[in-house]
Amino acid sequence: SQQGEEDPQALSIQEGENATMNCSYKTSINNLQWYRQNSGRGLVHLILIRSNEREKHSGRLRVTLDTSKKSSSLLITASRAADTASYFCATDDVYKYIFGTGTRLKVLA
Amino acid sequence: EAGVVQSPRYKIIEKKQPVAFWCNPISGHNTLYWYRQNLGQGPELLIRYENEEAVDDSQLPKDRFSAERLKGVDSTLKIQPAELGDSAVYLCASSLVSRGPGETQYFGPGTRLLVL
Repeated sequence: SQQGEEDPQALSIQEGENATMNCSYKTSINNLQWYRQNSGRGLVHLILIRSNEREKHSGRLRVTLDTSKKSSSLLITASRAADTASYFCATDDVYKYIFGTGTRLKVLA
Repeated sequence: EAGVVQSPRYKIIEKKQPVAFWCNPISGHNTLYWYRQNLGQGPELLIRYENEEAVDDSQLPKDRFSAERLKGVDSTLKIQPAELGDSAVYLCASSLVSRGPGETQYFGPGTRLLVL
């Protein structure tokens, strides 16, 4: 079962623009993680945000978490062609993480 | 530091044949995960190990899938016999612990399985 649902499913932007993708989930969580997956490769951890945090930054990444709305957003600023990938949110369910269906981001040079 | 190692990277087999995937986690990581990722979907957990103990295998189709992590280090996932619907990418991940600091999972490149 997939708890997290990313929105949009696909996103195409020009290099230099910002990209925003959203994740909604169903049950209470302790933390939420975002991962990136380049074509044909494994997932790379980007950032973890805990349920008592509202916002977190890492380089060009900004993640927000709204536990009252059961949603999170990932913002990539000043996007680059190398940011082209699928982005997944993962929410904790007891001792495992449940991944969403992903947002496929394409950054055009 | 070496990342999570998986082999083979690709495997093509005919249905009803057996297949095995191998994973070597990051040194010192006690927790090991096997995921299956279907095309266009996120990874779905098959089994999680804490050292050599399988602590969550509720999503593992036990009639045809088996896994082992005998010495609490590397792990093998087996499918016997394979079915057409098993075509997917099989991902292995490891983490220091499954809860608290260090719970971030590090993924291997995956094994892409095609069952004909």
